[in-house]
Amino acid sequence: ETGVTQTPRHLVMGMTNKKSLKCEQHLGHNAMYWYKQSAKKPLELMFVYNFKEQTENNSVPSRFSPECPNSSHLFLHLHTLQPEDSALYLCASSQTGQGRGYNEQFFGPGTRLTVL
Amino acid sequence: AQSVTQPDIHITVSEGASLELRCNYSYGATPYLFWYVQSPGQGLQLLLKYFSGDTLVQGIKGFEAEFKRSQSSFNLRKPSVHWSDAAEYFCAVGAQGGSYIPTFGRGTSLIVHP
Repeated sequence: ETGVTQTPRHLVMGMTNKKSLKCEQHLGHNAMYWYKQSAKKPLELMFVYNFKEQTENNSVPSRFSPECPNSSHLFLHLHTLQPEDSALYLCASSQTGQGRGYNEQFFGPGTRLTVL
Repeated sequence: AQSVTQPDIHITVSEGASLELRCNYSYGATPYLFWYVQSPGQGLQLLLKYFSGDTLVQGIKGFEAEFKRSQSSFNLRKPSVHWSDAAEYFCAVGAQGGSYIPTFGRGTSLIVHP
């Protein structure tokens, strides 16, 4: 595997289910991100981890729970979601620093989530 | 903090025509600048980036962008558009010496007519 991978690619869940999204990066980066992309809305940054420590939580509801066990893996645990949470969830990674080649984000293909 | 504006929500061009997508940024110092492309149902792919040096940047798929500090712009261009270029295009700005998290524009949807 190369780059950033996400599983599953598609997920349909009921409002009472619990599921998890997985992201893995094979680029040796130290920072990982979760974004939400809804139709007709801009990209929404949800969470940021740098060296496994959460550095950003942009007022995301507690029904979304991130986990970063190491710099290569990122999870998004979902429970009691609402239909308005249906969206494309994108994972990204980057190497933080100063200079050319730093801070450009590499994205996974996303998980298309539908909440019934 | 930095910000970025993509003034055009949709752009329609004919196949073979030239293309320019606009991006304006706000940042007090020299920024990192990026253009990404997103095909339907896919993640974002980096087309090109500016860090320093030559203000005309060449990218993949025949795209280029020019950094104009005086106009706070980083417009994306392509001399001849192909039907496969139809996608969503995002401009992003990062802060050199500041936060490592880039700020994304709202995106421009490119429609290509045959």
